[in-house]
Amino acid sequence: GAVVSQHPSRVICKSGTSVKIECRSLDFQATTMFWYRQFPKQSLMLMATSNEGSKATYEQGVEKDKFLINHASLTLSTLTVTSAHPEDSSFYICSASDRANSPLHFGNGTRLTVT
Amino acid sequence: DAKTTQPNSMESNEEEPVHLPCNHSTISGTDYIHWYRQLPSQGPEYVIHGLTSNVNNRMASLAIAEDRKSSTLILHRATLRDAAVYYCILRGLMNYGGSQGNLIFGKGTKLSVKP
Repeated sequence: GAVVSQHPSRVICKSGTSVKIECRSLDFQATTMFWYRQFPKQSLMLMATSNEGSKATYEQGVEKDKFLINHASLTLSTLTVTSAHPEDSSFYICSASDRANSPLHFGNGTRLTVT
Repeated sequence: DAKTTQPNSMESNEEEPVHLPCNHSTISGTDYIHWYRQLPSQGPEYVIHGLTSNVNNRMASLAIAEDRKSSTLILHRATLRDAAVYYCILRGLMNYGGSQGNLIFGKGTKLSVKP
């Protein structure tokens, strides 16, 4: 079945530094990727929609200058958390699909801890 | 806001069928109904999706009401590995997230399976 690989699975960084998270579709071309954030015991919150070759569409309340999304190819999207602060500590999850009416395939998530 | 509502939690006995309900009274004609499940500290896993007709796959069955305002995920014989949070979401034909509730996760149903 379709596989989405997300890396790293865990990262600890110091406050003020930036962290890049990669999301790759391994066996299909993902025209669209989605980035979610999940706090403990809560549901997934959609952060942004990333379309290959164009700017990402951010959800209301998500700072685009803080959460930089790049989708330069049909198999790779990256999320960079810039100038990370402890309140950015969360579980970040990407998902991808090749068509609008096909299933979403999720990565295994990245646990970010900002100290 | 999520366009779907689900019970917070349900319990089942192992080897028995489980019916997980989802209400989506504001569904539009082109919205697909998707079900995913999530184990702790993992990304969601695709379970099943459908538009109007009932659907079956190796994991589950999806029963969709005639007016499409509700659906039910059916696990025919629950196992301990089925214990997870189950999410019902809507996905429109346009490949985007966010607006109009597309791909917005609600709180989901936490399914517990007793041996």
